[in-house]
Formats: sequence, C-alpha cells, structure tokens
Amino acid sequence: DTEVTQTPKHLVMGMTNKKSLKCEQHMGHRAMYWYKQKAKKPPELMFVYSYEKLSINESVPSRFSPECPNSSLLNLHLHALQPEDSALYLCASSPGWGLHTDTQYFGPGTRLTVL
Amino acid sequence: KQEVTQIPAALSVPEGENLVLNCSFTDSAIYNLQWFRQDPGKGLTSLLLIQSSQREQTSGRLNASLDKSSGRSTLYIAASQPGDSATYLCAVHNTGNQFYFGTGTSLTVIP
Repeated sequence: DTEVTQTPKHLVMGMTNKKSLKCEQHMGHRAMYWYKQKAKKPPELMFVYSYEKLSINESVPSRFSPECPNSSLLNLHLHALQPEDSALYLCASSPGWGLHTDTQYFGPGTRLTVL
Repeated sequence: KQEVTQIPAALSVPEGENLVLNCSFTDSAIYNLQWFRQDPGKGLTSLLLIQSSQREQTSGRLNASLDKSSGRSTLYIAASQPGDSATYLCAVHNTGNQFYFGTGTSLTVIP
C-alpha cells in the first residue's frame, strides 16, 4: 500500500464553523506533513510531524491546529477561518525525517472553501 | 531562505518532441531534490528523487540531472505524449529540514 488518503475531498465552511481534515497512511512512514496550495502556486509547508511530534510549524495562524493521534493519522483542525484560507490542503508522508534518501508521498488533497 | 525557480512557467509542444524543464535554487546545502507531477486540482505524484551526492536519475522516458554547485536541475522528457500534460514541480529538501517547492512549469503536449 503506497497510498496517502485524505478526507473529505471537498469542504465548504463558514467563518464560524469548526471542521477537521483527516490524513491517513499505512506505509509505516514516520514523518507526515501538511501543505497549503493556492491556485496556480506551489505548495507551502505548514507543519511537519516526526515520530508523532511536531517538528516544524511554519508560523501558521492558530486557527489551524494540527494533531497526530498515532503514526498513521494526521488531522488538521480548523476554526474561525477566513476566506483567504480557501485552498487545496495537501497531506504527505515520508519514511523518515531529515534523511537525504526520503521521498515524499502526497495525498489527493482536500479542496477547502471558506465562505 | 531558499528560493526555487522554474523556467519556463509554461510550455506547449507537439507530441513526440523531447523537452527539458529547468529548476534552479539559491542554496546548495541540500539533502535532495525531487521532481513531481501535478494534474489540475489533484495531489502530487513523485517522479524522481536525486540525492545531493548523485548527478542524475532515470525512470522510463524521464531523466533528471542535478548540479548542486551551480544550483540547477533539469528534467528531460523523451518522446512526449499528451498524457504528459500536467504541471511539473521541483522541490528542494534543505539540510535544515525545510522543503521548498519551485514555481512550477505547466506543460501541454499537443496531439
């Protein structure tokens, strides 16, 4: 199984809603990532979890809250988002962290629209 | 901060042509460089990963090269097909454990 799955595929939420994005992998990878991608722009790294601990937070606003319940799951909790947060949210995983041989595997993404 | 640039931003070629996509980066202290393909509204598919100690990697019709000292990588696609139409992104993994994506090249292969 070389797949990273993400749910939901699409999400529409109001600025006062609370929602969560979910990412799952069963490849035994120990590093998982959240990226944000705006239209016609490259992905921007948001968070990195290594061995279920937050390793990198790229100065992301607190309305985005990541969680790694176990080595296979990564969540992104959303609260009080702004319309400019509308984007494609990509999850990725890699076998390790900080290894020069690591390849990142990406999920299909969640298309988020904030009204 | 690492800056990754891809040229050209868009490319349109007739089917069967060989083509080269370029990626340049400003900081040569990297672990590896990875090439991805992204179809519209979809996730990224890894094509090739070149470690900092390597010069090139090949997979089928794809060949990627890396010149770390000059901060450049190229992706060569042989005998292009309409199914190759997508956006191609390079990504640099810095030794500071940061990942930086390039600006992307949108490729259209005309049947």
